[in-house]
Amino acid sequence: GDSVTQMEGPVTLSEEAFLTINCTYTATGYPSLFWYVQYPGEGLQLLLKATKADDKGSNKGFEATYRKETTSFHLEKGSVQVSDSAVYFCALSDRTGNQFYFGTGTSLTVIP
Amino acid sequence: NAGVTQTPKFQVLKTGQSMTLQCAQDMNHNSMYWYRQDPGMGLRLIYYSASEGTTDKGEVPNGYNVSRLNKREFSLRLESAAPSQTSVYFCASTRDSPSYEQYFGPGTRLTVT
Repeated sequence: GDSVTQMEGPVTLSEEAFLTINCTYTATGYPSLFWYVQYPGEGLQLLLKATKADDKGSNKGFEATYRKETTSFHLEKGSVQVSDSAVYFCALSDRTGNQFYFGTGTSLTVIP
Repeated sequence: NAGVTQTPKFQVLKTGQSMTLQCAQDMNHNSMYWYRQDPGMGLRLIYYSASEGTTDKGEVPNGYNVSRLNKREFSLRLESAAPSQTSVYFCASTRDSPSYEQYFGPGTRLTVT
């Protein structure tokens, strides 16, 4: 069945460092791919999305490219800030939009 | 603009007690979902409803029931709570095709003793 595997955490970076969080997926057909962010005590918020191969999603300096050939959707940011400290989830939806699959989450802490 | 709302925010139950978690969305979305979030396990789908009047099981439905009361509301019921159901519960709704992005409520933190 469909699934998402993302990089284990926790990840600790210094402010202004480069961030990569790896995400790979297994799916039949052509899923939509997402990154969600969860701040302490809150629900998940959509960070960015891509709906077809080679699409690049971007938001707030974060980027991820839908790579069908490597079944990947890695999250990147060139210069992280303390305010980026959160848990990041990679997710996919099947083409019906009825089923969603989430990775286990990667906790990011950015220190000044 | 409320988005997805959930009540209560916190709840403590004794083993065997029952309760209903409430969820409502004001975005006119057709699909709604209930997830549980446990440490190290990400989010796991309990039940979903693709439209008013329909519900389907997700990955971990045992011990739960749901009701899609109308297009706005989707409730989750624990008939006889067990300590294994201690978790954070999230309700979500989905924008329709083509992007299917999900919108989440703030969560209900449930402890079963």
